[in-house]
Amino acid sequence: SQQGEEDPQALSIQEGENATMNCSYKTSINNLQWYRQNSGRGLVHLILIRSNEREKHSGRLRVTLDTSKKSSSLLITASRAADTASYFCATPLGGGSNYKLTFGKGTLLTVNP
Amino acid sequence: DADVTQTPRNRITKTGKRIMLECSQTKGHDRMYWYRQDPGLGLRLIYYSFDVKDINKGEISDGYSVSRQAQAKFSLSLESAIPNQTALYFCATSDPSAGSVNEQFFGPGTRLTVL
Repeated sequence: SQQGEEDPQALSIQEGENATMNCSYKTSINNLQWYRQNSGRGLVHLILIRSNEREKHSGRLRVTLDTSKKSSSLLITASRAADTASYFCATPLGGGSNYKLTFGKGTLLTVNP
Repeated sequence: DADVTQTPRNRITKTGKRIMLECSQTKGHDRMYWYRQDPGLGLRLIYYSFDVKDINKGEISDGYSVSRQAQAKFSLSLESAIPNQTALYFCATSDPSAGSVNEQFFGPGTRLTVL
């Protein structure tokens, strides 16, 4: 069964605005990853945050992790039309540190020019 | 050149036919995975392999089989395709030397339609 679940399912914003999407998960994890998928293409890893980290930045991406609430958020600042894609959170299957991942259903982000 | 390649990229077949989807990688990773993606359901793990001699079932292995021919090659077979196997199939790899960091690298996907 799926461990992580993204919210909202879809998000539409204007170029230049910030986009925030959330991920909730069920069991303890030692890391959480975010991936992007452009329409019909393979997923691309964006960022990983470990359980002992609360916040991480990579370019225009900011990820937070709240292990007490079992939730993570991905913030994309100053969005661009090229950011239009689906975004997935991924956690170790079974919640542990094994090497399989389970993916949520994704958030479809549309950035309008 | 792409590090993870999948063939074919698109395939239309009929119910009952045997289909093989192939995945090759030049990343030198030991771990390989097969997922299917259905609209609104995200990705689900079908099979995974941690090395050539290690094959494991994932969440939804019924109706599928795999073969790990070499470190670089991992094939997925549908022995007798049925319409509800219509989906987008992805192969992925990861590097165990990265420790607990299980970043996965995905191929471009195979769109399979079973009529």
